[in-house]
Amino acid sequence: AIQLTQSPSSLSASVGDRVTITCRASQGISSALAWYQQKPGKAPKLLIYDASSLESGVPSRFSGSGSGTDFTLTISSLQPEDFATYYCQQFNNYPRVTFGPGTKVDIK
Amino acid sequence: QVQLVESGGGVVQPGGSLRLSCAASGFTFSSYGMHWVRQAPGKGLEWVAFIRYDGSNKYYADSVKGRFTISRDNSKNTLYLQMNSLRAEDTAVYYCAKDADGSQGSFDLWGRGTLVTVSS
Repeated sequence: AIQLTQSPSSLSASVGDRVTITCRASQGISSALAWYQQKPGKAPKLLIYDASSLESGVPSRFSGSGSGTDFTLTISSLQPEDFATYYCQQFNNYPRVTFGPGTKVDIK
Repeated sequence: QVQLVESGGGVVQPGGSLRLSCAASGFTFSSYGMHWVRQAPGKGLEWVAFIRYDGSNKYYADSVKGRFTISRDNSKNTLYLQMNSLRAEDTAVYYCAKDADGSQGSFDLWGRGTLVTVSS
């Protein structure tokens, strides 16, 4: 099974900061990667699909990059509503998908 | 309104059974593959099961294979998860999720979730 790791597991940042989260796959997955945002008590929300495509309605400060085994989610200027946990997900062996362990972004 | 609404969660004893439902509205339910994803308290997301748009193929995580059954009724726009032989480690919020438009494998619509607690 394809394993995903995320780094860091948590980070503290200030409003306006540029934030980068990394996701690494245990084997190549081409661009079959998505990113989700989850706030406490809420369902995950799709941000990025196919590694770098912005989901409709998601602010342009979110961007994704990478292919193969190494991927990045970047928030160009952190906003108060962005404090949440972020998960990567691979779907290279769809429909058996796996999620990364998550990265919690909190206020510095 | 485009939405998924889960129901059927609750407290059940180890070894017991529960059936979850997920009611879909606002989109053509019969055109999309559907998934169940769970999240144990304070933990990450775990994919549980998938069913093809027409119900012809089903896939399960190893952790639930042989105990859980996914199904759907396209005439009722409803997805189901029959859970048998429940264990304490099945305690989680269970979400239903829809395959994304244009990117099969990412999930563009999620329900709010229903909590299943397995405890004596």
